[in-house]
Amino acid sequence: DTEVTQTPKHLVMGMTNKKSLKCEQHMGHRAMYWYKQKAKKPPELMFVYSYEKLSINESVPSRFSPECPNSSLLNLHLHALQPEDSALYLCASSQETGTDTQYFGPGTRLTVL
Amino acid sequence: AQSVSQHNHHVILSEAASLELGCNYSYGGTVNLFWYVQYPGQHLQLLLKYFSGDPLVKGIKGFEAEFIKSKFSFNLRKPSVQWSDTAEYFCAVNAYSNTGKLIFGQGTTLQVKP
Repeated sequence: DTEVTQTPKHLVMGMTNKKSLKCEQHMGHRAMYWYKQKAKKPPELMFVYSYEKLSINESVPSRFSPECPNSSLLNLHLHALQPEDSALYLCASSQETGTDTQYFGPGTRLTVL
Repeated sequence: AQSVSQHNHHVILSEAASLELGCNYSYGGTVNLFWYVQYPGQHLQLLLKYFSGDPLVKGIKGFEAEFIKSKFSFNLRKPSVQWSDTAEYFCAVNAYSNTGKLIFGQGTTLQVKP
């Protein structure tokens, strides 16, 4: 089973709202990732967690706040977003960080009004 | 800095035509190579990957790719495409020194006409 699940599938929020995206995997993977994907563009890495610790932050604005409560869960907390943050947010996981294969979830389609 | 280049941005083929999508990367060290596919409205799925060994790798749905180290290339091929292959295709590279950073190419939109 190589399934990564994400909720919600769609999210519409105003610029003053606070919301969270959730990601879950039960493959025993120890690395989890957040990516942002704009239409017809490749995914852009945002954050990497390894063994529940943040290992890479790709200079993401502080209005995006990741959290890894345990080895199976990854959250992305959103606050005071801008319309240009509207995108597909993808979660991925891999056995370890480094060069292991990353498996992607279906994403959350975020619209910021 | 590492980069991945996909030469074909938009490819239109008729069913049963052969497909080859180009992918080149710039990194001198050891790399792992991937092709991912994103069908309309669906999530990124792994088509195939190369870590080591036989440079000709076979993936799902009849796709294959050849790693040519001297050319820094990892081209994707399929002998006969189907309408259901219509999708966005991404080549990606993960360097051994990169601690989890998967570098994607810009993607190729494949449209197969029935």
